[in-house]
Amino acid sequence: KAGVTQTPRYLIKTRGQQVTLSCSPISGHRSVSWYQQTPGQGLQFLFEYFSETQRNKGNFPGRFSGRQFSNSRSEMNVSTLELGDSALYLCASSLNRDSWGLSYEQFFGPGTRLTVL
Amino acid sequence: KQEVTQIPAALSVPEGENLVLNCSFTDSAIYNLQWFRQDPGKGLTSLLLIQSSQREQTSGRLNASLDKSSGRSTLYIAASQPGDSATYLCAVRRRDDKIIFGKGTRLHILP
Repeated sequence: KAGVTQTPRYLIKTRGQQVTLSCSPISGHRSVSWYQQTPGQGLQFLFEYFSETQRNKGNFPGRFSGRQFSNSRSEMNVSTLELGDSALYLCASSLNRDSWGLSYEQFFGPGTRLTVL
Repeated sequence: KQEVTQIPAALSVPEGENLVLNCSFTDSAIYNLQWFRQDPGKGLTSLLLIQSSQREQTSGRLNASLDKSSGRSTLYIAASQPGDSATYLCAVRRRDDKIIFGKGTRLHILP
């Protein structure tokens, strides 16, 4: 079974530009979460999508947005890029939760390294 | 507010030793706790997932325990090998479904 894939793997942008990152979850997984990882802040939760609906959102400004398609693929968009947006952006997929409320484990993609100049 | 702390931040041990990594969290109302490893510049690899109703999980040389009442989890690695060198992260999924990560423990196994 193929793992979580993210494209592109590397991106270089300049301040003020916008960027779109893509994530394809493991086949059958309907939940996709996005994270930002920086040396100073560590891993921070951005948002989670399930069945095309945003279920959860972290504490990031509105410049960060996302969406999920009917095939569970997800994209995240960052507008008006700032230098501080330079980070590794990670996507994770899971089966979500079963009928007993047990949460399934998350599987991560390799990430997209975004550099803002 | 849920906080997740991992101590120590870095650890170096000789090959072959058994070791314990610690993770503590402030709010015991969690769905689960998951341990990951991350190699430099790479994504995260899931190691073990412990549901809130469980006390421990084992996979090969790894054993993770969960004590919700004290807000602690430990990851035990037996007979460490140089290939175990990586950053180990723990993450808790809160009851509101948000996931909070610790800053990780950077582990270096000395050959």
